[in-house]
Amino acid sequence: EVQLLESGGGLVQPGESLRLSCAASGFTFSIYAMSWVRQAPGKGLEWVSGISGSGSNTHYADSVKGRFTISRDNSKNTLFLQVNSLRAEDTAVYYCARGQQWLVSFDYWGQGTLVTVSS
Amino acid sequence: EIVLTQSPGTLSLSPGERATLSCRASQSVSSSYLAWYQQKPGQAPRLLIYGASNRATGIPDKFSGSGSGTDFTLTISRLEPEDFAVYYCQQYGSSPEVTFGPGTKVDIK
Repeated sequence: EVQLLESGGGLVQPGESLRLSCAASGFTFSIYAMSWVRQAPGKGLEWVSGISGSGSNTHYADSVKGRFTISRDNSKNTLFLQVNSLRAEDTAVYYCARGQQWLVSFDYWGQGTLVTVSS
Repeated sequence: EIVLTQSPGTLSLSPGERATLSCRASQSVSSSYLAWYQQKPGQAPRLLIYGASNRATGIPDKFSGSGSGTDFTLTISRLEPEDFAVYYCQQYGSSPEVTFGPGTKVDIK
């Protein structure tokens, strides 16, 4: 059974950083692209970042470029998102999602981790 | 950037009725790169349709997708209580870019 379990969210002040993690199980992690998708409270879905199976290709939404860094450790079946210089508008539930075919669609999602940015 | 517009914003229907949801793109989208998701309150999204018309694993055939170019449709043939949710379309484009529509809420009339 495919499982994705996010962790690392919390309450932080503007300008601070967090490292989000997503532990994957039930599939061969290293052959799948992975993404982070976020959802602000009461709002829609926003793709944040994606990474290829090997980790050699990464892409970001313009809204987070230069502040967020996606990475993965295939030996530990874990996906990461380093989020720096956080702003109030980054407040959201952050989901990790498995790419069905690169970033074309996402066939499995975790339950999400909440990041709240507030002073 | 391709912008997706979904209509209507809210669809109020009764169980047993047919639901037709629209997703319109600001530029042509390859049919291979259009997906639909269902999201219930407090839950993660679930992939329903990929490649515009292919049902994802375990998705019942009451859900169907169609369309091409800039106009795509998700149809739920007969609504059951568990189908009342928010539905999002999503496209993948070059650059690469990934965008979601704003969603259509299907609620009970």
